[in-house]
Amino acid sequence: DIVMTQTPLSSPVTLGQPASISCRSSQSLVHSDGNTYLSWLQLRPGQPPRLLIYKVSNRFSGVPDRFSGSGAGTDFTLKINRVEAEDVGVYYCMQATQSWTFGQGTKVEIK
Amino acid sequence: EVQLVESGGGLVKPGGSLRLSCAASGFTFSGFSMSWVRQAPGKGLEWVSSISSSSSYIYYADSVRGRSTISRDNAKSSLYLQMDSLRAEDTAIYYCARVGSSNWDYFDSWGQGTLVTVSS
Repeated sequence: DIVMTQTPLSSPVTLGQPASISCRSSQSLVHSDGNTYLSWLQLRPGQPPRLLIYKVSNRFSGVPDRFSGSGAGTDFTLKINRVEAEDVGVYYCMQATQSWTFGQGTKVEIK
Repeated sequence: EVQLVESGGGLVKPGGSLRLSCAASGFTFSGFSMSWVRQAPGKGLEWVSSISSSSSYIYYADSVRGRSTISRDNAKSSLYLQMDSLRAEDTAIYYCARVGSSNWDYFDSWGQGTLVTVSS
């Protein structure tokens, strides 16, 4: 099984400042079809998960452009350009290259 | 607007059974693969099971394989998860999620979830 490891597990951020979350996979996420199936989801209190980014860097419909994804192979990053109060929540990376597995989650909170 | 509404959760004793349902609306249900994902209390997300649009392909996590059965009724735009031989570690919020692409690579819409509690 592919294990996904996120760091940090908690990220206190000042409003308006950037935040960055790292996600590392135990093996390459490059699929045999050449694509890399890494997505990012946001889980806000009392709400269902919300897709933010798919295939490493593609922003899903309606997602603000302050969210961006990057990376390749086994190392990936989610960046929030300027954190807003509504961004508080837990962020998960998910790989779909081989079955589906999630990272442990990173809690983003306001300082 | 895509809507997914789960139901069927509740309190069940270890060894018992539950059938979860997910009612879909706002899109052509028969055109999408679907999945179940759960979140145990204080834990992260865990993929449980997935089913293709025509039920031709079905996948299970090792943690539920042999104890759970995923199914769907396209005529009713509904997804199901039959859970048997339930254990305490199955306690979780169960989310229904739409698979957003033919490559099965992301879940683009989620329901609010239904809580399953396994306890004596």
